[in-house]
Amino acid sequence: GEDVEQSLFLSVREGDSSVINCTYTDSSSTYLYWYKQEPGAGLQLLTYIFSNMDMKQDQRLTVLLNKKDKHLSLRIADTQTGDSAIYFCAETNFGNEKLTFGTGTRLTIIP
Amino acid sequence: DARVTQTPRHKVTEMGQEVTMRCQPILGHNTVFWYRQTMMQGLELLAYFRNRAPLDDSGMPKDRFSAEMPDATLATLKIQPSEPRDSAVYFCASGPDRGVGYTFGSGTRLTVV
Repeated sequence: GEDVEQSLFLSVREGDSSVINCTYTDSSSTYLYWYKQEPGAGLQLLTYIFSNMDMKQDQRLTVLLNKKDKHLSLRIADTQTGDSAIYFCAETNFGNEKLTFGTGTRLTIIP
Repeated sequence: DARVTQTPRHKVTEMGQEVTMRCQPILGHNTVFWYRQTMMQGLELLAYFRNRAPLDDSGMPKDRFSAEMPDATLATLKIQPSEPRDSAVYFCASGPDRGVGYTFGSGTRLTVV
């Protein structure tokens, strides 16, 4: 079945850029997503990228997709304390739209 | 902003009791998911529906869990009887047919003692 992997923890100094990485195994993935979960809250869709794109930028967020290596990354520019959260990578494919999530990366901001 | 509403937000119950969790999807969304989140297993898909019909409930323990959509505005997840290992946060999410991205509710935190 599909598998999505992420590193569990990332610590970044306030003001620096954060880069969160994700690898997936399903070569038929059509959409790849980044969700953010703050403590005690649900998952908030941050951004997504269609599989025929290499890059997508949305304000402080940049998503890079390397389809050959099945690697997805999320870069957060000028990281702020409000960016502290768990970030989940997820994928769907057109034939089966259920979301398969990674383990989540806990981002900690160092003042 | 349209939102997915889940009730209750918190539930503490004794082992063996029945638990019912409810979800009101966003109006017009015809795809509804139930996920369970635990520290050990992360986010697991329990069941999902399109146009109220169950498409995949392979992630759900059939002997004690059941999921239904009595109408387009209500999805339910029932556990009977509940066990301590069912303690988790249960999320509902909804989306448009083959749409991009899904909206999650705030979850029901279930504790079975």
